Amino acid sequence: GQNIDQPTEMTATEGAIVQINCTYQTSGFNGLFWYQQHAGEAPTFLSYNVLDGLEEKGRFSSFLSRSKGYSYLLLKELQMKDSASYLCAVRDAHPGRRALTFGSGTRLQVQP
Amino acid sequence: ETGVTQTPRHLVMGMTNKKSLKCEQHLGHNAMYWYKQSAKKPLELMFVYSLEERVENNSVPSRFSPECPNSSHLFLHLHTLQPEDSALYLCASSQSTGGGETQYFGPGTRLLVL
Repeated sequence: GQNIDQPTEMTATEGAIVQINCTYQTSGFNGLFWYQQHAGEAPTFLSYNVLDGLEEKGRFSSFLSRSKGYSYLLLKELQMKDSASYLCAVRDAHPGRRALTFGSGTRLQVQP
Repeated sequence: ETGVTQTPRHLVMGMTNKKSLKCEQHLGHNAMYWYKQSAKKPLELMFVYSLEERVENNSVPSRFSPECPNSSHLFLHLHTLQPEDSALYLCASSQSTGGGETQYFGPGTRLLVL
């Protein structure tokens, strides 16, 4: 099975940098995903990590350490529109298993 | 992402009603998923279909019945639901690539059971 932990809420200031952490305990691991979900909308894909290290994509970066069961999502130059929930999700390593296990999400509030 | 559509967007039903949720993906994917999202809880996987065959069923009560007539369409048939079934029901699709396999979500159906 999977257990995924991330902070419930975070607050940051426009223009700043914020790091959202995610830790997981799994019986197998085959990739970690970050999604953004605005209130009342669908989750949208942000990043995917399967190997250790940092993946950078514009203002957003995601880091993975498989040995520590740890990932973070880094958001730079925060904008008001970045206020949303950020979901960490892990894929099981079981062959043929395609579904993701999600954390409860971190609600980020960006303030002026 | 507008490649996955869901109807209706909102649904109110009584416990004795029968209704169906519809999902359609326009991305050419070969797998489709139903998730349930309740307030302050993680997304919970309900069903996975791969090449129109149900490959995962996450111990969902029988009052929820999925149907996948082809690779582009997925239904969730609802009957004799309970108030605790009120939630956002999300559909997703993906394409098997041997790695990565990002899931793309529809906007969801917000269901209220009275």
